[in-house]
Amino acid sequence: ELKVEQNPLFLSMQEGKNYTIYCNYSTTSDRLYWYRQDPGKSLESLFVLLSNGAVKQEGRLMASLDTKARLSTLHITAAVHDLSATYFCAVDRALGTYKYIFGTGTRLKVLA
Amino acid sequence: GAVVSQHPSWVICKSGTSVKIECRSLDFQATTMFWYRQFPKQSLMLMATSNEGSKATYEQGVEKDKFLINHASLTLSTLTVTSAHPEDSSFYICSASRPRGASGYYEQYFGPGTRLTVT
Repeated sequence: ELKVEQNPLFLSMQEGKNYTIYCNYSTTSDRLYWYRQDPGKSLESLFVLLSNGAVKQEGRLMASLDTKARLSTLHITAAVHDLSATYFCAVDRALGTYKYIFGTGTRLKVLA
Repeated sequence: GAVVSQHPSWVICKSGTSVKIECRSLDFQATTMFWYRQFPKQSLMLMATSNEGSKATYEQGVEKDKFLINHASLTLSTLTVTSAHPEDSSFYICSASRPRGASGYYEQYFGPGTRLTVT
């Protein structure tokens, strides 16, 4: 069974703290996508990781991909309240396909 | 660029009626669009792949006669929920696929979603 699992599912953290969200997947995909979803809204693209070892950073968020371990991380540095949202990772169902499987999601709440 | 719209953004209908949701790629052509369903506090589940000019491909467990998909043009796909029931109430999100970058991979661009409530 194809799976994309995120850890943790829920995260409550204080402003200013650092934390990492993990995304493990079982497909053969060499691409991974991170999205943010605010309540009642659709998805906002954060990062597209296209190869093993890819690392991308935007503001307080940094994402990396290890295709050998089938693992991606989303690191949050010095969290602020505005980062509160649900974060999803997604992978291609198989190498060379463009159908996504979404992770379970991580609901992040940053406390002031 | 790469804007996808959905209409309506929300709809309330009575049990037994049909509802049509439109998904449009506004500034690019998309031979492939996808329809997802998202229940509250859950992840997105792919329902079907919509291909312009051909029949949609449905995921296992999705009733094709209940969720009719028509990809009439390179910029429009529609999802019709037929004989809707309260359990069909959900957030429906479409995406349109477009090649991106020199590597030529296809990325999905997501619409704003349609919230369907069946009473």
